Amino acid sequence: QKEVEQNSGPLSVPEGAIASLNCTYSDRGSQSFFWYRQYSGKSPELIMFIYSNGDKEDGRFTAQLNKASQYVSLLIRDSQPSDSATYLCAVNILGGYQKVTFGTGTKLQVIP
Amino acid sequence: EAQVTQNPRYLITVTGKKLTVTCSQNMNHEYMSWYRQDPGLGLRQIYYSMNVEVTDKGDVPEGYKVSRKEKRNFPLILESPSPNQTSLYFCATAGGGAGELFFGEGSRLTVL
Repeated sequence: QKEVEQNSGPLSVPEGAIASLNCTYSDRGSQSFFWYRQYSGKSPELIMFIYSNGDKEDGRFTAQLNKASQYVSLLIRDSQPSDSATYLCAVNILGGYQKVTFGTGTKLQVIP
Repeated sequence: EAQVTQNPRYLITVTGKKLTVTCSQNMNHEYMSWYRQDPGLGLRQIYYSMNVEVTDKGDVPEGYKVSRKEKRNFPLILESPSPNQTSLYFCATAGGGAGELFFGEGSRLTVL
């Protein structure tokens, strides 16, 4: 079982819709959770991080964490074509930032 | 401007010819790390360093060496490159409380 799993997609949504990206992780001791966005040919950039169960909102983005189900998600409201990218889920297994494990990413396509 | 700078950005080399990919950061971060990114496999950690003269293996360290003699620099050394080391390489740093990673622009390496 992979430590961090994501559906590779592509996930296609129409412009203005809500995009829902999901990630599961295997280590119950995982401490912190990150979502990165990676445009084609570019480096990953942080969108959000979350530590505690529940929702965390930042503009059009909402991260949701359920530690009991070992599940973290990212919702993008009012999706724009500029949101088209690969979204990487990352999990910090040990705490701190020594051991950050990434999922393989979900490709999102926002259709105008 | 806060930066993580990698060089070279693109390199084509031949099997067995030693090469070094440099990484330099101006953010005064203690933590630095190297990742490789391959289709279908995502980002995988090669080595990381928590501080000067402190390095440790990540998930895929075979065939690589690193050193951390100065806080700002963390070079990745391929002593005898092989075709299976053809990949996109990212250097990353972290120093914030959240543990978020800041990535360099990437170095695309092809080993023939």
